[in-house]
Amino acid sequence: GAGVSQTPSNKVTEKGKYVELRCDPISGHTALYWYRQSLGQGPEFLIYFQGTGAADDSGLPNDRFFAVRPEGSVSTLKIQRTERGDSAVYLCASSPHQGAREQYFGPGTRLTVT
Amino acid sequence: SQKIEQNSEALNIQEGKTATLTCNYTNYSPAYLQWYRQDPGRGPVFLLLIRENEKEKRKERLKVTFDTTLKQSLFHITASQPADSATYLCALDNEGNTPLVFGKGTRLSVIA
Repeated sequence: GAGVSQTPSNKVTEKGKYVELRCDPISGHTALYWYRQSLGQGPEFLIYFQGTGAADDSGLPNDRFFAVRPEGSVSTLKIQRTERGDSAVYLCASSPHQGAREQYFGPGTRLTVT
Repeated sequence: SQKIEQNSEALNIQEGKTATLTCNYTNYSPAYLQWYRQDPGRGPVFLLLIRENEKEKRKERLKVTFDTTLKQSLFHITASQPADSATYLCALDNEGNTPLVFGKGTRLSVIA
């Protein structure tokens, strides 16, 4: 079956620009997570949705980062006024239901801020 | 502060041998511990989950142990194959909806 998909796979943007990264979770999965992974590091948690609401956004580094999931399926991570330090791979994961522990990851979006 | 360490950044072993990867943590009491595999350019893939009251979990050639006294998990791949070459990540998982806390990973290379 279809896994988690993320678009675009690569995004190059200039410092100061606005970007949107999209995640399509596995159909029927209610939990959705965003992580950021820098080279040589493990994924770092950003935000978690249960349904449409952000259940935990404690990992968002500052108010330039924002994410939505308006209909409880597709999610968009939005980054304003991008900085070079935002360059990383942004990973999305979904999980079947609130009690499920394992997460299913997408391939990620590689963001490069020049 | 909470800390999770995967002791080896890279591990090279000969095909057919058992690979053992270590995950240590401090200032944390996870209810579960998960292991993921990540290939270059791809997202992590879930392998195994072990609960705090389980000592050992097996799946085919994989075995995970969890020692909450030592605050350590060991991940074993028996009869290793070149196709097992990848980065392996451990992740701490608490009760409820708290996010996973990942280690940096260990890059395993199985040499034919």
